[in-house]
Amino acid sequence: DSGVTQTPKHLITATGQRVTLRCSPRSGDLSVYWYQQSLDQGLQFLIQYYNGEERAKGNILERFSAQQFPDLHSELNLSSLELGDSALYFCASSPGTSEDEQYFGPGTRLTVT
Amino acid sequence: GQSLEQPSEVTAVEGAIVQINCTYQTSGFYGLSWYQQHDGGAPTFLSYNALDGLEETGRFSSFLSRSDSYGYLLLQELQMKDSASYFCAVWKDKIIFGKGTRLHILP
Repeated sequence: DSGVTQTPKHLITATGQRVTLRCSPRSGDLSVYWYQQSLDQGLQFLIQYYNGEERAKGNILERFSAQQFPDLHSELNLSSLELGDSALYFCASSPGTSEDEQYFGPGTRLTVT
Repeated sequence: GQSLEQPSEVTAVEGAIVQINCTYQTSGFYGLSWYQQHDGGAPTFLSYNALDGLEETGRFSSFLSRSDSYGYLLLQELQMKDSASYFCAVWKDKIIFGKGTRLHILP
């Protein structure tokens, strides 16, 4: 158990809908990272927040947005969902801003039908 | 551009040694990390090389050569539970992961 929690574990929704994925980092970690992993694909970095502020941006679509709240939990919002958005979404956390050791949550499996 | 290249699959025999390579076309990064991911699971951190050379952690070792733009993960005394995907990653202004190497272990 990494200490990072993600909810929900599974999510099935229809195209065009909007969903929110939630992540709670390890106690004491200030950075939260979001990743997308499609079938047989590597990890695509989406975005990082550090202590409530956006720190780094990766290949995040404009239909996606995220935020980190004062209690350091984070939410990833996915809107106007398309079939291609079906994937595993991982959240990870680390103590600092550019830690090379990240702790991953169990992931949320999103299925768009 | 910035990219990390890994073999897509590697097969080895239980009890043997296997090396998973990672070559990169990016510079100025802080170090090279390795993660393991079992099917259906989350990635877990294995090792990190901040400096050139070999880092050893039990049965796993990792190597980095910045001059050769090359690194590798070495797994010794392979066990069936080591069957997983292995990802290299570097941090520059953001983290970049390789596409992963699927390790198959034969009994």
